[in-house]
Amino acid sequence: QVQLQESGPGLVKPSETLSLTCTVSGGSVSSGSYYWSWIRQPPGKGLEWIGYIYYSGSTNYNPSLKSRVTISVDTSKNQFSLKLSSVTAADTAVYYCARGTGWGAAAGTVFDYWGQGTLVTVSS
Amino acid sequence: SYVLTQPPSVSVAPGKTARITCGGNNIGSKSVHWYQQKPGQAPVLVIYYDSDRPSGIPERFSGSNSGNTATLTISRVEAGDEADYYCQVWDSSSDHSVVFGGGTKLTVL
Repeated sequence: QVQLQESGPGLVKPSETLSLTCTVSGGSVSSGSYYWSWIRQPPGKGLEWIGYIYYSGSTNYNPSLKSRVTISVDTSKNQFSLKLSSVTAADTAVYYCARGTGWGAAAGTVFDYWGQGTLVTVSS
Repeated sequence: SYVLTQPPSVSVAPGKTARITCGGNNIGSKSVHWYQQKPGQAPVLVIYYDSDRPSGIPERFSGSNSGNTATLTISRVEAGDEADYYCQVWDSSSDHSVVFGGGTKLTVL
């Protein structure tokens, strides 16, 4: 059974960089069958996709966040990470990591396994 | 950017059928996936590629997609189905991005 677990600071100051890591167990980030995504959900609001990474290091980001987002992968640790720069209160959200499957044009964008989520609050 | 529109809320009595819609421009040409999210929990995939069910999802959950509307149908609704439901597509047009609908709160009366 694949499991994903987010980790990182729960409080980040405005203008600083949010950093989170997702540790994958029961599966490998090096599998060529999957993409690895970050998705967030502000309190009381809907889901927003942040971006994904493939084991090769290839990435795709939400255009609305692209200028501030970096997703990286560490195959030796079976982890992938998120960095979001210049954060504001609007970035306060539960951040989920998820495994993406699927085929064709939508490859990697069917999210079949999710982490439990971690709340990140942006506040001074 | 591509927009998916869901009704904010749907109410249904136990044992009846709930239909949750997801509207988008020519959404029938895209593959639609649906997620169920209960309070304090991560979303769970309930329908993928318009109408396929992951293992472990009851047959009461079904999906369809045509024209400008995709629909998640839940038959014989149970109290445990009360949750938020999100539709999602891959927008391969200008943005090349995952798009989620705003979500629908299903209330079981």
